[in-house]
Amino acid sequence: GQNIDQPTEMTATEGAIVQINCTYQTSGFNGLFWYQQHAGEAPTFLSYNVLDGLEEKGRFSSFLSRSKGYSYLLLKELQMKDSASYLCAASDSNYQLIWGAGTKLIIKP
Amino acid sequence: IAGITQAPTSQILAAGRRMTLRCTQDMRHNAMYWYRQDLGLGLRLIHYSNTAGTTGKGEVPDGYSVSRANTDDFPLTLASAVPSQTSVYFCASSVDPSYNEQFFGPGTRLTVL
Repeated sequence: GQNIDQPTEMTATEGAIVQINCTYQTSGFNGLFWYQQHAGEAPTFLSYNVLDGLEEKGRFSSFLSRSKGYSYLLLKELQMKDSASYLCAASDSNYQLIWGAGTKLIIKP
Repeated sequence: IAGITQAPTSQILAAGRRMTLRCTQDMRHNAMYWYRQDLGLGLRLIHYSNTAGTTGKGEVPDGYSVSRANTDDFPLTLASAVPSQTSVYFCASSVDPSYNEQFFGPGTRLTVL
């Protein structure tokens, strides 16, 4: 079956670094996405990885290991506005997105 | 309009009633999707459309139907609502089916009593 696993909740301190992990199992693979979702709002696109390695975009970076079925999202210099849920999604052989349940990130001052 | 709009924003519905959730995008995207989001679960695909005139079933299609008469509109209909359809519904679109960056509408919060 197809499955995405990510932690339910994480807590971090303002100004610190946090890494949110995601493991996936899909029928075929066409890339790994990270989305941010603030409470009561729609998900918004953060990053896309299809090749192994690290993609950096400002304070956010995303890593992919296809052989391990593993990705992480790294958030640096955490700000209070980063408090949100982070959704991991893998694209399967039919380009359908398989979504994780999301990781709720709580930032403390 | 800019992006994707959904209507209504929220709705309380009696069980057994028919309801259509509306979704319109102005980005000329070929692919459109309907998801439901429930607490503790990931987004689950209900139906999708790869291009105007075609639709397909997702992971949880039972009790829902869609149509795609043109590029911009992708309504979702609940023929006879049941309490288990209480959820937040998101419509999304992407440039085409193989380009997976999806843009989401603001969502419709539906409560079925």
